[in-house]
Amino acid sequence: SQQGEEDPQALSIQEGENATMNCSYKTSINNLQWYRQNSGRGLVHLILIRSNEREKHSGRLRVTLDTSKKSSSLLITASRAADTASYFCAAKRNSGNTPLVFGKGTRLSVIA
Amino acid sequence: DTAVSQTPKYLVTQMGNDKSIKCEQNLGHDTMYWYKQDSKKFLKIMFSYNNKELIINETVPNRFSPKSPDKAHLNLHINSLELGDSAVYFCASSPSVGRTDTQYFGPGTRLTVL
Repeated sequence: SQQGEEDPQALSIQEGENATMNCSYKTSINNLQWYRQNSGRGLVHLILIRSNEREKHSGRLRVTLDTSKKSSSLLITASRAADTASYFCAAKRNSGNTPLVFGKGTRLSVIA
Repeated sequence: DTAVSQTPKYLVTQMGNDKSIKCEQNLGHDTMYWYKQDSKKFLKIMFSYNNKELIINETVPNRFSPKSPDKAHLNLHINSLELGDSAVYFCASSPSVGRTDTQYFGPGTRLTVL
C-alpha cells in the first residue's frame, strides 16, 4: 500500500519565494527521506530525517517530522529556477526488509 | 565517476518481444533495486537484492526476472512484453551501513512497447 502522499501535487512560485511541500504516511516509520527528480533524470537523495528527530536542515532545505500526525514537510527557502523539479517523500517502515515507499511527488515550478 | 549506470537509456520494442536492461553500481553497495515509474510519475519498487540474494519481490508478473551475477550488477529481463510495461525503469543501490535504505538512483531506462 502507498505510504507517502505529497501535497500539493503541483506548486508554482516566483524565484526568491519559499516553497513548502507536505507528505503524509500511514504506519510507524524508521525514517523519512526526500528526493528530487529533474525531468528525464533519476531521483537524487536530498535529506533524511529519523523518527526520533523533529527538524533537520541542509543548506536551503528544512525538513520537519511530526510522528503524531504522521506527516513531514520540506521547505525550500529563497527558491531558484534550478529548483524546478519533482520532489518525492519516501517512508522507511520499521519492520525488517520492507521497501522504501515513495509518494506520487510534488511538481515544483520556480519562475524566474 | 562513482555512480549507478543503466543501459540502454531508451528501448523501443514490439509487443511480445523479450528485452533486458542492465544495471551496474560502483559504489560498493550491498543492496540493489529495480523500480518502475509510470506515466503519472508514481514510483513503485519491483525487486531488491542484497549480496546477490533476492530479498524483496513485490507483486510483479513473472514475465519479469531479475538476475544478479554479483553484488555490483542487477539486470532485469522482461519476457513477452505488453503495452502496459511501457514506463521508465530505474535501478538503485543502497549501502547496508546504517540501514537507512538511502537510495542512489541510475538515470533510468525509458521502455516503450508498441
